[in-house]
Amino acid sequence: NAGVMQNPRHLVRRRGQEARLRCSPMKGHSHVYWYRQLPEEGLKFMVYLQKENIIDESGMPKERFSAEFPKEGPSILRIQQVVRGDSAAYFCASSKGLPGGRATNEKLFFGSGTQLSVL
Amino acid sequence: GQNIDQPTEMTATEGAIVQINCTYQTSGFNGLFWYQQHAGEAPTFLSYNVLDGLEEKGRFSSFLSRSKGYSYLLLKELQMKDSASYLCAVRVTAPYMFSGGYNKLIFGAGTRLAVHP
Repeated sequence: NAGVMQNPRHLVRRRGQEARLRCSPMKGHSHVYWYRQLPEEGLKFMVYLQKENIIDESGMPKERFSAEFPKEGPSILRIQQVVRGDSAAYFCASSKGLPGGRATNEKLFFGSGTQLSVL
Repeated sequence: GQNIDQPTEMTATEGAIVQINCTYQTSGFNGLFWYQQHAGEAPTFLSYNVLDGLEEKGRFSSFLSRSKGYSYLLLKELQMKDSASYLCAVRVTAPYMFSGGYNKLIFGAGTRLAVHP
């Protein structure tokens, strides 16, 4: 029973390149959350998605960042034209949710994260 | 706005007891979580409180007072492997027109605990 899978584990990009981070939620989970963690800091909420829908992207920068969770396949966090300040650990978490996307009282399960380093 | 405060660092001795405090000011409160995170690893769930009082789970206990916006995590019989960051997180429920609401976790900055022999 695989948990939340993120890849790659480490990603190195040069300034101006694109970064694509992938997250496969736990089996049966349809809610995905992305968080960013800077060194020595807590987890900052970025975006919450359900299948084919962005529910809350209030924590995601308006420029260069985008996220999707297609009907088939993993959730993707995409960062265009990366800058050094994007260097951080990006964690994905998933939960099951109820039919119709209603909120539940479940805890989140986290992946091992992707460490993005921008040179 | 949402605000969660916890001490930045704490130290303790192996075998001792340590209490990590967390205060919060949030809207749409729907539960408080504690997660443990070792360096370079994923946060792992420790405990959950939604009602006032103490929840005990082995060496770990967590307390919540909703009226005071306060929680603590109590770790007993400390072991070296307990050296980690401890993250306090508040779950808030926000309105969503299509489903009645959605949940998200808002994290504090974490408390780095160092356990010494």
